[in-house]
Amino acid sequence: EAQVTQNPRYLITVTGKKLTVTCSQNMNHEYMSWYRQDPGLGLRQIYYSMNVEVTDKGDVPEGYKVSRKEKRNFPLILESPSPNQTSLYFCASSTQGVNSPLHFGNGTRLTVT
Amino acid sequence: KQEVTQIPAALSVPEGENLVLNCSFTDSAIYNLQWFRQDPGKGLTSLLLIQSSQREQTSGRLNASLDKSSGRSTLYIAASQPGDSATYLCAVRNYGGSQGNLIFGKGTKLSVKP
Repeated sequence: EAQVTQNPRYLITVTGKKLTVTCSQNMNHEYMSWYRQDPGLGLRQIYYSMNVEVTDKGDVPEGYKVSRKEKRNFPLILESPSPNQTSLYFCASSTQGVNSPLHFGNGTRLTVT
Repeated sequence: KQEVTQIPAALSVPEGENLVLNCSFTDSAIYNLQWFRQDPGKGLTSLLLIQSSQREQTSGRLNASLDKSSGRSTLYIAASQPGDSATYLCAVRNYGGSQGNLIFGKGTKLSVKP
């Protein structure tokens, strides 16, 4: 089944403790992206990757890192999480092309205390 | 800066009704507009994508229209069912934006009562 898989689904951590949220897609998509969703603010892009070893900042990149060493994986790294990064995170992927629809994972709910 | 607005924020209808969800955007320089569905605890599912050169797209009971010059799109749902209950999001992709950097509205939460 074609899908975008995120892990974990739920994560509770403390301020400053490094964490990684994994994202993997099995559709051979070139493009991958991370979004966060917050009440009243909607979905906002954090980082994106056009292909292996090519990443760039989205609208809200502060406090996050990403890497794209393999085509199928695009992990999101929080080196020193803070409470304002408590949010619902989504990974998405698509083929190249301006009119390619995005496929989303099921989300990771992160709580930083 | 592109802004996407969805009205109403929430909508409750009895089963069987036809309904329209609205989406407006401020900058008409877009590649396309997408409608998504989000179920609680789940990700977003792409419903329809309308390219800027298109006026509408249809999939089953769903019909989405796009009027780029006026900055508006509508999602029409025919003969609504309780299974249609979800949050519906529209998103536009601007010229010059990163591929896939969709600008999202805040969504309309739809509840279809049996």
